[in-house]
Amino acid sequence: QKEVEQDPGPLSVPEGAIVSLNCTYSNSAFQYFMWYRQYSRKGPELLMYTYSSGNKEDGRFTAQVDKSSKYISLFIRDSQPSDSATYLCAMVDYKLSFGAGTTVTVRA
Amino acid sequence: DGGITQSPKYLFRKEGQNVTLSCEQNLNHDAMYWYRQDPGQGLRLIYYSQIVNDFQKGDIAEGYSVSREKKESFPLTVTSAQKNPTAFYLCASSMASGRLSYEQYFGPGTRLTVT
Repeated sequence: QKEVEQDPGPLSVPEGAIVSLNCTYSNSAFQYFMWYRQYSRKGPELLMYTYSSGNKEDGRFTAQVDKSSKYISLFIRDSQPSDSATYLCAMVDYKLSFGAGTTVTVRA
Repeated sequence: DGGITQSPKYLFRKEGQNVTLSCEQNLNHDAMYWYRQDPGQGLRLIYYSQIVNDFQKGDIAEGYSVSREKKESFPLTVTSAQKNPTAFYLCASSMASGRLSYEQYFGPGTRLTVT
């Protein structure tokens, strides 16, 4: 079993829809939880990070962490075609562990 | 402009040849990392270095080697012992390591094809 599980999708939504992404994990030692965005043929870039359970909002993006359920989510409101990318969840104990990534397409 | 550069963007090699991928950063970060990305598998850690002249194996180090002679540079050599070297290779750096390594900055990647 992988430490971090993420549905690879793909996910296709119309412009303006809410995109919901999630990951589950098995390692209770994970403390920091991140979401990276990766455009095609580019390196990932850090979108958001959270420490411990709770919500964090940044513009159209909201990250949620539920440590009791070992479950994290990323929501993208009012999605735009420019949000089309692969979204990778990642978590840290002593090193970064990544999910497989979910490919999202926002249709104009 | 601060950042991480990787070269070349595309690399083609014949089976049995060693090849070295370049990674340079001007962010003054102590820690540097090499990942491999394959479709459907996310990023897997090959090697990481927390300080100059020191590095540790990651999850899939077999068939790879690294050096860290300068803070800014962390080249990766893919040796002929690596059984399936064709992949997208990503270099990253962070200001700190361990539990504080969550904010990693990635380079643009090198796509290696071995035939």
